[in-house]
Amino acid sequence: QSALTQPASVSGSPGQSITISCTGTSNDVGGYNYASWYQQHPGKAPKLMIYDVSNRPSGVSYRFSGSKSGNTASLTISGLQAEDEADYYCISYTSSSTYVFGTGTKVTVL
Amino acid sequence: EVQLVESGGGLVQPGGSLRLSCAASGFTLSSYWVHWVRQPPGKGLVWVSRINPDGTYTTYADSVRGRFTISWDNAKNTLYLQMSILRDEDTAVYYCVRDLHGPFDYWGQGSLVTVSS
Repeated sequence: QSALTQPASVSGSPGQSITISCTGTSNDVGGYNYASWYQQHPGKAPKLMIYDVSNRPSGVSYRFSGSKSGNTASLTISGLQAEDEADYYCISYTSSSTYVFGTGTKVTVL
Repeated sequence: EVQLVESGGGLVQPGGSLRLSCAASGFTLSSYWVHWVRQPPGKGLVWVSRINPDGTYTTYADSVRGRFTISWDNAKNTLYLQMSILRDEDTAVYYCVRDLHGPFDYWGQGSLVTVSS
């Protein structure tokens, strides 16, 4: 199972919006409304930011939103803030009853 | 408070074995799916394995199937990952993760496994 494809890096200025894509196939992202997104700061465990494509857990800022079109899921961060600088990973369930993470995206706040 | 605490990591030679433990508190393991996820140094997250609430169903990533075994002890409320025939590429921080019927909502702090001669 190959990792889902994410851009290696995305950057934006404070207050701007950025979008991170997560591209898979019909056997994973496209086949299930499962896609989740995790934020990871250096040396820390990942934190759930979005689940089931577009649902936000309690306590996660409204500035984080998710969507999906075909085989691509997306995470949008609006009103970018310094504390949003981190690595972001998507994950999908697969037709093999396994899971696959994305390659990861480093978000830089300029 | 929900907590997951991994232990058992360390240095092991290629071809060797190691067992990771993950002590759960604040919830009962037998009520949730739980997973192992690993992260090689400086690299991304990789899903490894999962086990269902009653311990009767397990799945594995292709890279570890046949070498790793996931299990849990109900009485100790502890998850395990038995790793054998270890390879250099198994070097990683290993996280145990609770599955809230879909999203991975709680993660342990991780346990580092280093495979090297």
